[in-house]
Amino acid sequence: EPEVTQTPSHQVTQMGQEVILRCVPISNHLYFYWYRQILGQKVEFLVSFYNNEISEKSEIFDDQFSVERPDGSNFTLKIRSTKLEDSAMYFCASRSDNYVYGYTFGSGTRLTVV
Amino acid sequence: AQRVTQPEKLLSVFKGAPVELKCNYSYSGSPELFWYVQYSRQRLQLLLRHISRESIKGFTADLNKGETSFHLKKPFAQEEDSAMYYCALSGVGSGAGSYQLTFGKGTKLSVIP
Repeated sequence: EPEVTQTPSHQVTQMGQEVILRCVPISNHLYFYWYRQILGQKVEFLVSFYNNEISEKSEIFDDQFSVERPDGSNFTLKIRSTKLEDSAMYFCASRSDNYVYGYTFGSGTRLTVV
Repeated sequence: AQRVTQPEKLLSVFKGAPVELKCNYSYSGSPELFWYVQYSRQRLQLLLRHISRESIKGFTADLNKGETSFHLKKPFAQEEDSAMYYCALSGVGSGAGSYQLTFGKGTKLSVIP
């Protein structure tokens, strides 16, 4: 069964540093998402991406965040200057053009900002 | 605004007992509802989608629009069902193709042998 792949599985970074989280969505999927889950809290939507542009973003997704699909296979989330409160599990997801089949999630990247 | 409420943070049941994980939603349009399961520190896996009315691993969920609920049920719990369960709602966002998911806070199911 096709999978969404995320790397790295765990990233530790110093406050103020830039970090890039990487995702390889399922190859024939067209819609891509980033979600995050702070420890002990619920999964929160960050951003959706379609046709090489952001289609929706939440209040969390401020100017420190950006997304890119640089080469047609990778889908990256960049945090420009990390803060302690950015520590969370970040999940990438993708889906086909038929949304009722649900989303396929990656296994997540645990980001720890120290 | 769309909202998903899972009132129970933790649910413990004995093996073989029935399970019901509650989910209520708030959405002005016609929602699409899902249940996701997360086994110990693994990825979120789609368990059920209401549109397909399927049964996966013995779990079922019925959308009740009158009560705005989508409770997850299983008649006989198994130890391997122990996991975190998330109810999620998909609604149309403002952007094309958005359909972002809104998750509940999750219910941890613990099946006691």
